[in-house]
Amino acid sequence: DTEVTQTPKHLVMGMTNKKSLKCEQHMGHRAMYWYKQKAKKPPELMFVYSYEKLSINESVPSRFSPECPNSSLLNLHLHALQPEDSALYLCASSQRTSGPSYNEQFFGPGTRLTVL
Amino acid sequence: GQQVMQIPQYQHVQEGEDFTTYCNSSTTLSNIQWYKQRPGGHPVFLIQLVKSGEVKKQKRLTFQFGEAKKNSSLHITATQTTDVGTYFCGWTGNQFYFGTGTSLTVIP
Repeated sequence: DTEVTQTPKHLVMGMTNKKSLKCEQHMGHRAMYWYKQKAKKPPELMFVYSYEKLSINESVPSRFSPECPNSSLLNLHLHALQPEDSALYLCASSQRTSGPSYNEQFFGPGTRLTVL
Repeated sequence: GQQVMQIPQYQHVQEGEDFTTYCNSSTTLSNIQWYKQRPGGHPVFLIQLVKSGEVKKQKRLTFQFGEAKKNSSLHITATQTTDVGTYFCGWTGNQFYFGTGTSLTVIP
């Protein structure tokens, strides 16, 4: 199984809502990532989990809260978002985050989020 | 700080023509990766280059890493409509970064 799955595929939420994005991989990867991608822009790294511990948090606002319940699952909890947070949220995984040969990242299909 | 430029931003080619995208860095890169993202899709890993002067081929795609490890290119020979998408370079610094991407349109 070389697939990263994400749910939901689409999400529309109001600024006062609380929602969660979910990501799952069964490749035994020990690194998992959240990216945000706006239209016609490259993905921007938000968070990196390595061995289920948060290793990188790229100055993301606290209204985004990541969680890694186990090595296969990654969640992104959303609360009090702003309309400018509307974007494609991509999850990715790799064997590890560093080393002599940086590993390829496998991306999920993404969750397209609209904040009203 | 490190600056990497990816050019061109957009490229329209007639089917059968060749295509090249470049990533140019102001500093030495430890490695470089290339990804393809189809319209409406997600990035898909194509290749990783780590050695100075490295050249790798995948069918019609040729990837190069410069001798100084400051630039890289992706060349597609005889483009097909299935090559449509945005091609991103990526590299590892303090974290992983993507280049700005080159959007390729292939005109049948």
